[in-house]
This record gives sequence, C-alpha cells and structure tokens, in this order.
Amino acid sequence: DAKTTQPNSMESNEEEPVHLPCNHSTISGTDYIHWYRQLPSQGPEYVIHGLTSNVNNRMASLAIAEDRKSSTLILHRATLRDAAVYYCIQFSGTYKYIFGTGTRLKVLA
Amino acid sequence: NAGVTQTPKFQVLKTGQSMTLQCAQDMNHNSMYWYRQDPGMGLRLIYYSASEGTTDKGEVPNGYNVSRLNKREFSLRLESAAPSQTSVYFCASTEGGSSFYEQYFGPGTRLTVT
Repeated sequence: DAKTTQPNSMESNEEEPVHLPCNHSTISGTDYIHWYRQLPSQGPEYVIHGLTSNVNNRMASLAIAEDRKSSTLILHRATLRDAAVYYCIQFSGTYKYIFGTGTRLKVLA
Repeated sequence: NAGVTQTPKFQVLKTGQSMTLQCAQDMNHNSMYWYRQDPGMGLRLIYYSASEGTTDKGEVPNGYNVSRLNKREFSLRLESAAPSQTSVYFCASTEGGSSFYEQYFGPGTRLTVT
C-alpha cells in the first residue's frame, strides 16, 4: 500500500531553517511528491510539489533524493505562523491522494 | 475568487438523522473530492468525482453517498448518521486526477453525531 513515513513532531526556533523529512519508498516513477500543511482549525493548504529535481517557491523548497524514496521540505526561516501539521502525500493511482498522520511543527519564539 | 466553499461550518445530528454537506468551487476544476479527518489523524478519502457526471469510491465510502450536481458543486449525503461519522469533513478540488495537480481545500464542516 502507498504510505509515507514522517516524524510525529519537530521543533524549531523562530527565524531558523527547518528541514522536515519524509520517506515514500513505494512511490511510482511518475508520481509527483506533494507537501501540504494544515494550520489549526483550517483545511490543508498546498505548499509545494516536485517530481525529480529540487523545487523552490515563495513558501518553501523541496529537496528530492536521487532514488525518489525520500524528500525534505525546507522552510528557510521559520516564523510563528509556520506552526502547523505538515503532510507529505503519496498517490495510490489516479485521484487518490494518501495522507499520513503528518509532522506537527512547533516554532519557538 | 472564493476558491472552495463548504456549508455548513458546524452541524450536530442525532443518530439516524440525515443531512447533506454542500461544496462548491469557482476555479473551473474538473475533479472534486470529499475527505474526513478524525482527531489526530490525517485525511481519508471518502469519494471523488473525476469529472462532471462521474463519482467513485475512495478509502472509506460506507455510510455516504455523493452527487456531482454540476461542474462547480459536489455534495456528500449521510442517510442515517452514526456516532462513528463524527468527524471534520473537507471538500477539495483539482484541475485533473494526475499527481501533477495540487489540491485546493475548503475550510471544513465539523460534524458531531450524538
């Protein structure tokens, strides 16, 4: 079964970089790796996605391992507003996004 | 653009009652989804609609029905609510079913069944 593995929780100091890891060893060769985050009492919010090479956008960077079995979401300077649950998503066939339990990020002032 | 909207935001039902959760998107997306999220858990797919006029089961479809009313709207119906259906329900949409597309989520409906 498609499944991702993430640490349950992580902490970071404000203004410091955060590296959130994810293992997705069963990912198919053509599926994109997605990351979403969920702020308290809100719906998930798209962060970034990529296929093979590293990706950057205004929110974060995504580093994908060469064998694509793992990836790391990088928040370059964590702020208090980045405190959320971060989900790494794997696909199980078309249309089926599989959410794990995610990593709860705590940002310390 | 409002994105994905859901109504109601909160609902309390008694066991056996029925209700319909409404979802609409204004992004002209082809595909729509219903998820549930139980406390401390990730989201689980209930049903999805690849395009207008089609619906398919996801991971946890039992006890639910869906209708893709038109391209904009996708509703979720609980015919006879049970306490096990107490959860937060999220609707989402994408341009298509490939993993190339990101999902856009609504704010959720918090449902309690007593």
